[in-house]
Amino acid sequence: DTGVSQDPRHKITKRGQNVTFRCDPISEHNRLYWYRQTLGQGPEFLTYFQNEAQLEKSRLLSDRFSAERPKGSFSTLEIQRTEQGDSAMYLCASSSTGIAKNIQYFGAGTRLSVL
Amino acid sequence: AQTVTQSQPEMSVQEAETVTLSCTYDTSESDYYLFWYKQPPSRQMILVIRQEAYKQQNATENRFSVNFQKAAKSFSLKISDSQLGDAAMYFCAYRRIQGAQKLVFGQGTRLTINP
Repeated sequence: DTGVSQDPRHKITKRGQNVTFRCDPISEHNRLYWYRQTLGQGPEFLTYFQNEAQLEKSRLLSDRFSAERPKGSFSTLEIQRTEQGDSAMYLCASSSTGIAKNIQYFGAGTRLSVL
Repeated sequence: AQTVTQSQPEMSVQEAETVTLSCTYDTSESDYYLFWYKQPPSRQMILVIRQEAYKQQNATENRFSVNFQKAAKSFSLKISDSQLGDAAMYFCAYRRIQGAQKLVFGQGTRLTINP
């Protein structure tokens, strides 16, 4: 069990560019979540997958945001035409449907800075 | 919609002393989960303690315990024998048992430990 892994840890981009983040959940966890955390605030939910199905999306997830989880393993979060307001920490979490199904384990996050 | 409020942006405590972090929440659900997560500087968020709303007994994990007052919708965290490694942001979070899997977080409390 190597924990939730996120890549890259930091990303600096210019406004208008597209960026993609990757999340590798804990193996055998079939649930995967994306959150966004701005400085000094608590994380806000973006979207949730169970296996490869995207079951829930927040209104925060505008048309410029898209998330995928092909084959129910790793997930990617893409932001198109980035804006300065997209600057934040993007957190990924995973959980199982077993006994500890109500516990979400978090990765270290990807910090995005849009210049 | 469920909301979580942490009214203490910052708290400080002397090493080896006890500190209590406050959290209130709003929900119309009768069954749910509550969590305290710890986020050290530049490190990933980790679970400190969890409470099932249907359990009247307060959860305890070593030096960490909660005071769960369901009628008052209050969920405070007590840290006994504070250690330097306890310094971090602490987030209170709520999750429904059925339906939506997302965590709803409070704004966080920054805890400083004074040696």
